[in-house]
Amino acid sequence: SAVISQKPSRDICQRGTSLTIQCQVDSQVTMMFWYRQQPGQSLTLIATANQGSEATYESGFVIDKFPISRPNLTFSTLTVSNMSPEDSSIYLCSVELASPLNEQFFGPGTRLTVL
Amino acid sequence: ELKVEQNPLFLSMQEGKNYTIYCNYSTTSDRLYWYRQDPGKSLESLFVLLSNGAVKQEGRLMASLDTKARLSTLHITAAVHDLSATYFCAVDRGDDQFYFGTGTSLTVIP
Repeated sequence: SAVISQKPSRDICQRGTSLTIQCQVDSQVTMMFWYRQQPGQSLTLIATANQGSEATYESGFVIDKFPISRPNLTFSTLTVSNMSPEDSSIYLCSVELASPLNEQFFGPGTRLTVL
Repeated sequence: ELKVEQNPLFLSMQEGKNYTIYCNYSTTSDRLYWYRQDPGKSLESLFVLLSNGAVKQEGRLMASLDTKARLSTLHITAAVHDLSATYFCAVDRGDDQFYFGTGTSLTVIP
């Protein structure tokens, strides 16, 4: 498995501001993912962040709203830009360890509330 | 678009009883994963099912995969209170991206 940390663990933000969430993993991984989990809901994939290439965004998510950085094999950031109350969610990063299981392990999450 | 549906969405069961959670998905996939999420916590990996007919067991939980029927089951045997959590299945759509099921919130009543 992998040990994954996220910062901050929670935050309360004002409408129109931006928040950057950090994800750190204790081993080098190729694939990292960012998910959103709205209250009481399932997880929705926002984007895939591979080191050395641009993030790949899922339908309904755009780079201007959710810019992602992946500067090395152990770290990634997700920024939630120009926030509105609809962005209030838990944001989780995950990493995929090597084949053959392609298993994903999740960070503890960042609970974001936008007022 | 790939759809992953679980049923039931909510399950309340008495300790000692057995029950099955179903995960149906809409496209071909040979990889399916089960996760557990406790309230306010992140996801914990339970099972990795990589081929048709795969069966995995851990304690009171057993998961199986039928890729032809596009169905996975999570069977709970003799439930105990500690199993109360939300359970998610997730399907690998073929490019290592996961689609998560709707989730099943399980409450085990003493």
